[in-house]
Amino acid sequence: AAGVIQSPRHLIKEKRETATLKCYPIPRHDTVYWYQQGPGQDPQFLISFYEKMQSDKGSIPDRFSAQQFSDYHSELNMSSLELGDSALYFCASSLEGLDGYTFGSGTRLTVV
Amino acid sequence: AQKVTQAQTEISVVEKEDVTLDCVYETRDTTYYLFWYKQPPSGELVFLIRRNSFDEQNEISGRYSWNFQKSTSSFNFTITASQVVDSAVYFCALSEAALKRQGAQKLVFGQGTRLTINP
Repeated sequence: AAGVIQSPRHLIKEKRETATLKCYPIPRHDTVYWYQQGPGQDPQFLISFYEKMQSDKGSIPDRFSAQQFSDYHSELNMSSLELGDSALYFCASSLEGLDGYTFGSGTRLTVV
Repeated sequence: AQKVTQAQTEISVVEKEDVTLDCVYETRDTTYYLFWYKQPPSGELVFLIRRNSFDEQNEISGRYSWNFQKSTSSFNFTITASQVVDSAVYFCALSEAALKRQGAQKLVFGQGTRLTINP
């Protein structure tokens, strides 16, 4: 069965650089979520999209932005990277919550 | 507001022991969903179970079982005859009911319990 695909799996950036993370949800899923998990912490909700429109927003820094495209894939753009942005970034997708949430394998971002 | 509390930060047991991970939640919704996820050292989030607020039946899946009690707002997870491969961080999570034209609502996670099974 198709899963949520995230790319890249690993990313190393320097401070003040920009990073773009991509997420390809399960086909026909209508909602995409982004989470950030710092070392030793629980995943924190950043932002979600329902049918390509932003549906909810969490503690997402102003330096971050996200969008969902016409093919339903989503991108998380992070600018002016800081050391504290080093984390595991998860994307998840859902179909109205009917079958739960499926998470991608995550992108591990390291800012040096 | 929603909140999930996993009071046990770390648990360490010897293989074959039974272990229970506690989860207490808060929500104002009458319709909500509870989840458990496993996060092994490799980092991915592995779905274990989803339970809706109207289904208080306990569930057993192999060595795993879950006890949902609305009266105490708890959704505890028990591993019977633990194995070294069960070593991981386990997260309890909650989502409220989907909103019309907004899709399913976000998951709120507990702080996680790091479970170590020693041989």
